[in-house]
Amino acid sequence: AQRVTQPEKLLSVFKGAPVELKCNYSYSGSPELFWYVQYSRQRLQLLLRHISRESIKGFTADLNKGETSFHLKKPFAQEEDSAMYYCALGAGYQKVTFGTGTKLQVIP
Amino acid sequence: SQTIHQWPATLVQPVGSPLSLECTVEGTSNPNLYWYRQAAGRGLQLLFYSVGIGQISSEVPQNLSASRPQDRQFILSSKKLLLSDSGFYLCAWDMAGGTEAFFGQGTRLTVV
Repeated sequence: AQRVTQPEKLLSVFKGAPVELKCNYSYSGSPELFWYVQYSRQRLQLLLRHISRESIKGFTADLNKGETSFHLKKPFAQEEDSAMYYCALGAGYQKVTFGTGTKLQVIP
Repeated sequence: SQTIHQWPATLVQPVGSPLSLECTVEGTSNPNLYWYRQAAGRGLQLLFYSVGIGQISSEVPQNLSASRPQDRQFILSSKKLLLSDSGFYLCAWDMAGGTEAFFGQGTRLTVV
């Protein structure tokens, strides 16, 4: 069965500090991992996906199959990064599975 | 381009009244459709998903039901609302489990 775990409900960091939002997954096949973000008063939207290996708004995430992790990282947090972040797992034609989300709070 | 519409944006309903939230997708065919409930501290909870017309899978037992009468229409319903049904409901679609999901603006339901 697919499962996504985000252990932190809330992560508070100071502006300029590094950020790491943790995500671990459980899936027996080859997964596709995503990070979604929801800013205040905006709809939930895709931030990045592991297959594109891109950096969006300074965020990166590397798929570690050995540790079954897909942590989201940013070297220097900005106030506008404050939002709700969801890790998601998609696998073939099965439904996408979301984690419970982590609220990132960047303190000025 | 593809778009997703979800309405109403807000709804206040008395306990015991029926519910109907509607979601439609434009610009694509045979999407997977989802209903989620978003709750503080509990994140994004999948309620129902559908891979085709008339095909509904329920993820959690509850007072709600879903229907897909047309390819791009997904409806969330209840015959009698409970106070615990209050929450923020999101509709979403994707083309397969491994692609990007697109979300509606959501519906804030308050049961009084």
